[in-house]
Amino acid sequence: NAGVTQTPKFRILKIGQSMTLQCAQDMNHNYMYWYRQDPGMGLKLIYYSVGAGITDKGEVPNGYNVSRSTTEDFPLRLELAAPSQTSVYFCASSPRGEEAFFGQGTRLTVV
Amino acid sequence: GNSVTQMEGPVTLSEEAFLTINCTYTATGYPSLFWYVQYPGEGLQLLLKATKADDKGSNKGFEATYRKETTSFHLEKGSVQVSDSAVYFCALSPSSGSARQLTFGSGTQLTVLP
Repeated sequence: NAGVTQTPKFRILKIGQSMTLQCAQDMNHNYMYWYRQDPGMGLKLIYYSVGAGITDKGEVPNGYNVSRSTTEDFPLRLELAAPSQTSVYFCASSPRGEEAFFGQGTRLTVV
Repeated sequence: GNSVTQMEGPVTLSEEAFLTINCTYTATGYPSLFWYVQYPGEGLQLLLKATKADDKGSNKGFEATYRKETTSFHLEKGSVQVSDSAVYFCALSPSSGSARQLTFGSGTQLTVLP
């Protein structure tokens, strides 16, 4: 059972470039989340989804976009990357919006 | 809105010492409370949880009791090991609403020395 799988694990982007962080879960969970983790700052919610076709903004959505066309996948799109988006990104899923299962994270550096 | 406040770190202990990491929360109703652990280079893993007042969550020697009267969920372990070195996050999930999302504290770095 793979759980939550994120790709890539590491990425370096130049300012202005775009990319998509992939997230897939095989637990048939309805809820999925994207968080960013900055050093010493805990986790901040970027976007979340309560089911296929439904997404909503979290605390820090600016500069990001998401889609949820299937239950399994929840990709995060960065358009026009900026240095402020340098962070570690975590995808998570949850069956009922309580206990969450996390992926291993994607470490993104924007230079 | 909901919020979680954790004691600031880093915390450094000797092996076999007693551990307490304080966590208090602000939320309406009766949220569910969680402790997550993050080992270096990894994602967060659920350590323990409690879903109602006076519940005690426990796992791997760690314990935390849901105290509604003090809005607290302090993490304790009687004898820490070097392998417990990690970052610990307290979190809550609201008791109702369609936007069931976790709110995290800022994390507490624990280092255990042999």
